[in-house]
Amino acid sequence: QQKVQQSPESLIVPEGGMASLNCTSSDRNVDYFWWYRQHSGKSPKMLMSIFSNGEKEEGRFTVHLNKASLHTSLHIRDSQPSDSALYLCAARRNNNRIFFGDGTQLVVKP
Amino acid sequence: EAAVTQSPRNKVTVTGGNVTLSCRQTNSHNYMYWYRQDTGHGLRLIHYSYGAGNLQIGDVPDGYKATRTTQEDFFLLLELASPSQTSLYFCASSVDSNERLFFGHGTKLSVL
Repeated sequence: QQKVQQSPESLIVPEGGMASLNCTSSDRNVDYFWWYRQHSGKSPKMLMSIFSNGEKEEGRFTVHLNKASLHTSLHIRDSQPSDSALYLCAARRNNNRIFFGDGTQLVVKP
Repeated sequence: EAAVTQSPRNKVTVTGGNVTLSCRQTNSHNYMYWYRQDTGHGLRLIHYSYGAGNLQIGDVPDGYKATRTTQEDFFLLLELASPSQTSLYFCASSVDSNERLFFGHGTKLSVL
């Protein structure tokens, strides 16, 4: 059973545009969220983490978390072709198990 | 950045064969994880460990054994490999379970 649902499966945005990615957990025992980015042929690397309700911004990246609905979103402004990658949402269950969604494939068109 | 080393990078075996995938981290991290990645499935957790001698079962453990021999070393064993285990395997480590994961480069396994 998929405990983390990501949407959309794929997303195409123009260079300079805004990309918005979503992630929701169906497991009420989740307490931490991360966003990872995986370029083609590479291993995943953490982009951002969020554990508290609200918003967190780092450069062009903003992440939101609503703990009541267990929904997190990642927003990338001024998208660049180098942002083209698979974006993976990860969540920690309170038994220390960390599981991932299936990802959103982002393509930024020059 | 924390280093996680996986070996081999590529492996081809036949159905019924034995395979051992190795992972080493020298970051003094407590947690180590094994994931598999297949097209359309993101990363699926096989086994994980929070210290030498400890083993926790993940979400897709069938057909896999794991062993954490030291703080640094975590092995994944496929004793009777099947074609369904053809996949890209990632090892990852973290200081604690609420900290970021650092991934190795992955092992591409093909079971013919």
